[in-house]
Amino acid sequence: KAGVTQTPRYLIKTRGQQVTLSCSPISGHRSVSWYQQTPGQGLQFLFEYFSETQRNKGNFPGRFSGRQFSNSRSEMNVSTLELGDSALYLCASSLGYGLAGGSNTGELFFGEGSRLTVL
Amino acid sequence: DAKTTQPPSMDCAEGRAANLPCNHSTISGNEYVYWYRQIHSQGPQYIIHGLKNNETNEMASLIITEDRKSSTLILPHATLRDTAVYYCIVRVDRSGGSNYKLTFGKGTLLTVNP
Repeated sequence: KAGVTQTPRYLIKTRGQQVTLSCSPISGHRSVSWYQQTPGQGLQFLFEYFSETQRNKGNFPGRFSGRQFSNSRSEMNVSTLELGDSALYLCASSLGYGLAGGSNTGELFFGEGSRLTVL
Repeated sequence: DAKTTQPPSMDCAEGRAANLPCNHSTISGNEYVYWYRQIHSQGPQYIIHGLKNNETNEMASLIITEDRKSSTLILPHATLRDTAVYYCIVRVDRSGGSNYKLTFGKGTLLTVNP
């Protein structure tokens, strides 16, 4: 079973530009979450999508946005890039929404991440 | 979700058991304890989770104290490949609501030495 796929793996942008990152969840998984990881702040939750709807959102400015498609694939976009946006952006998928019991352990499966460098 | 406290680093000899503690003294009755680890430059990997009872799987064992204020992750026979940052997370299981917002702390850097 293929894991979570994130593209691109590495990218370099300049301040003011915008970037779109893509995430393909594990087949059958309907929930996709995004996290930002920096040396200073660690892993921080960005947002979560289920059935094309944003279900939860972290404390990030409106420059950070996302969406989920009917096939559960997700994209996140960062507009007007700042130097501080340089980070590893991680996508995680999970079976469902809500219950952590039964066949859904509630565990998240993370991708390898997209490493963004803003110059 | 409740906060957790972990030591910033630990060392363990290869082949020995690694015992990683986690304090979650403000945990609520409906919060689960989850453990993830992150090997350098990779995405976090799920290890194990539990509510009240001790749990064991092919990777590790989770021991939760009776008052649920702390837990210990046990890697029974640590190998060099277990060197990673280990995160202890408590998370509410909200029936019918989103529960995939994880709050990661700084974690514990476990270094397994040959």
